[in-house]
Amino acid sequence: GNSVTQMEGPVTLSEEAFLTINCTYTATGYPSLFWYVQYPGEGLQLLLKATKADDKGSNKGFEATYRKETTSFHLEKGSVQVSDSAVYFCALNNNAGNMLTFGGGTRLMVKP
Amino acid sequence: NAGVTQTPKFQVLKTGQSMTLQCAQDMNHEYMSWYRQDPGMGLRLIHYSVGAGITDQGEVPNGYNVSRSTTEDFPLRLLSAAPSQTSVYFCASRGSGSPTNEKLFFGSGTQLSVL
Repeated sequence: GNSVTQMEGPVTLSEEAFLTINCTYTATGYPSLFWYVQYPGEGLQLLLKATKADDKGSNKGFEATYRKETTSFHLEKGSVQVSDSAVYFCALNNNAGNMLTFGGGTRLMVKP
Repeated sequence: NAGVTQTPKFQVLKTGQSMTLQCAQDMNHEYMSWYRQDPGMGLRLIHYSVGAGITDQGEVPNGYNVSRSTTEDFPLRLLSAAPSQTSVYFCASRGSGSPTNEKLFFGSGTQLSVL
């Protein structure tokens, strides 16, 4: 079956530091890959997505590249802000179904 | 636009009680779903619906019932609450395009405690 593995958190960074949150997946076929973000007290919001190998999703300074050879979709940002503090979820959806499979989430804390 | 609205935001139940979590969306979305969020386990799909009158099970359906009588509403019923159902519940919807391209819109969640 499908599965998504994320690095354990929390990740604590100082403002303007470089961010990487690792995500690897197991899936049949050619899934689409997503990063969702959850701010405190809110539901999840789509941050970025990639639908095929070598695609790069980007939004709000965050980027992730769909790497089929390493089955990875790592999230990066060059300079984090305090407002980026949130929980980040990697997810996949294959072409066959209506089920989005989520990773366990990684909490990011950015200190001023 | 209100988006996806969930009620209540917080609920405490005793073991064996029943209740219904409400979810409504005003975006005319065909697809609606319920997830539960548990620490370290991400979100797991409970039930989903691809249109009025059509529902299907997700990854963790036991102990939950759903129905979809209108496009707007997708309530989740707990018939006999158990402590294992203590969790945060999210309702989500999306448009009728490809599942791989359409983003999910989430409600703000219901925090449920079963004592």
